[in-house]
Amino acid sequence: SQQGEEDPQALSIQEGENATMNCSYKTSINNLQWYRQNSGRGLVHLILIRSNEREKHSGRLRVTLDTSKKSSSLLITASRAADTASYFCATNVNQGGKLIFGQGTELSVKP
Amino acid sequence: EPEVTQTPSHQVTQMGQEVILRCVPISNHLYFYWYRQILGQKVEFLVSFYNNEISEKSEIFDDQFSVERPDGSNFTLKIRSTKLEDSAMYFCASSPSGGSYNSPLHFGNGTRLTVT
Repeated sequence: SQQGEEDPQALSIQEGENATMNCSYKTSINNLQWYRQNSGRGLVHLILIRSNEREKHSGRLRVTLDTSKKSSSLLITASRAADTASYFCATNVNQGGKLIFGQGTELSVKP
Repeated sequence: EPEVTQTPSHQVTQMGQEVILRCVPISNHLYFYWYRQILGQKVEFLVSFYNNEISEKSEIFDDQFSVERPDGSNFTLKIRSTKLEDSAMYFCASSPSGGSYNSPLHFGNGTRLTVT
């Protein structure tokens, strides 16, 4: 398997529910980042968690990082139809800032 | 808020032709990147650029690809002789500093390249 694998690949929920997406990776990292992509658009940075951090919050987003298990999760609380998008985790492994992206989770939030 | 801008938004070219994809990174950023995303697949790293030279490139970035920062604002990706499999969305990104300073990347909206 590859660096940065998300599950589930697709997630469909009702508005107001929480959405949880998971990411696993293989090598040691500087940080892990989550990005959002609306269909046909660019990637928008959501949140960055450093390798020495375990949890981070930003608005309705909560990210956890477990470096012993090489995994991260993104929780979106009280989801909205506008949260419908693809969500990618990406790991930064070197000083150059290069990111390695996972396959992504396609989230659909139904009104 | 400053943005990374890419032009054109869509480029159609014939196999074997040269294409140049253009990007204007955020003005005070120092690290520049190109990624690509084949339809329905993951975002793949192509190349990173810092201090006027390539700092890292992937296996995808072969001799057909080149990057240039011809002036203080533009950052271009050239594909010398396009192949059908080069059809993808190409994203430019920039960052104020590299990974050791834990900076996120700022992405443009991409150029959709279609090779016929």
